Amino acid sequence: GAGVSQSPRYKVAKRGQDVALRCDPISGHVSLFWYQQALGQGPEFLTYFQNEAQLDKSGLPSDRFFAERPEGSVSTLKIQRTQQEDSAVYLCASSLSGISGANVLTFGAGSRLTVL
Amino acid sequence: KQEVTQIPAALSVPEGENLVLNCSFTDSAIYNLQWFRQDPGKGLTSLLLIQSSQREQTSGRLNASLDKSSGRSTLYIAASQPGDSATYLCAVRGGGGADGLTFGKGTHLIIQP
Repeated sequence: GAGVSQSPRYKVAKRGQDVALRCDPISGHVSLFWYQQALGQGPEFLTYFQNEAQLDKSGLPSDRFFAERPEGSVSTLKIQRTQQEDSAVYLCASSLSGISGANVLTFGAGSRLTVL
Repeated sequence: KQEVTQIPAALSVPEGENLVLNCSFTDSAIYNLQWFRQDPGKGLTSLLLIQSSQREQTSGRLNASLDKSSGRSTLYIAASQPGDSATYLCAVRGGGGADGLTFGKGTHLIIQP
């Protein structure tokens, strides 16, 4: 596609529910990132994929967060047993090259998660 | 741990003014620095990317400078327009192998018509 597509755009979950957020990066983009943006804050890094390999997951806040990119294209961020502090916008970004490249990141519009 | 600070947090100016947004970072060992704009309910749009070896980048009415040794960057917007109203975010990529960008909290800019 022409840009990074994320779905759903809005998700309301009851505390304790599991949610799955999807990211369709730009076709052919090697690198894929997930960020979490709380209200009034800048985005915070969650995890990074190069193709299908998850090279860095140091930003995932707990073991309730899990991300995958099994075929090196679409990625899913899963949050188990959601809690109110998980409420945020989850942003996906992709870039053409690997981590050492100079390409800029292209961000999706984000998935806004509200946990009640 | 890298920390990025943006000043001011919010700014409101009349249309037509030139303005400067500031960004500072604590660890000067960066790979590059990027400025983004974020419109409400939308993702981030990359404005300018400065590699660590560069001093500045220009795109239209925007000019970004980088002083890596002092840990500072500025975004200069010339002849501001109401359409420039948005939140501007500064982000650095660490040179020590960190994969993700470290963002500041942003400057919320309002250009008054």
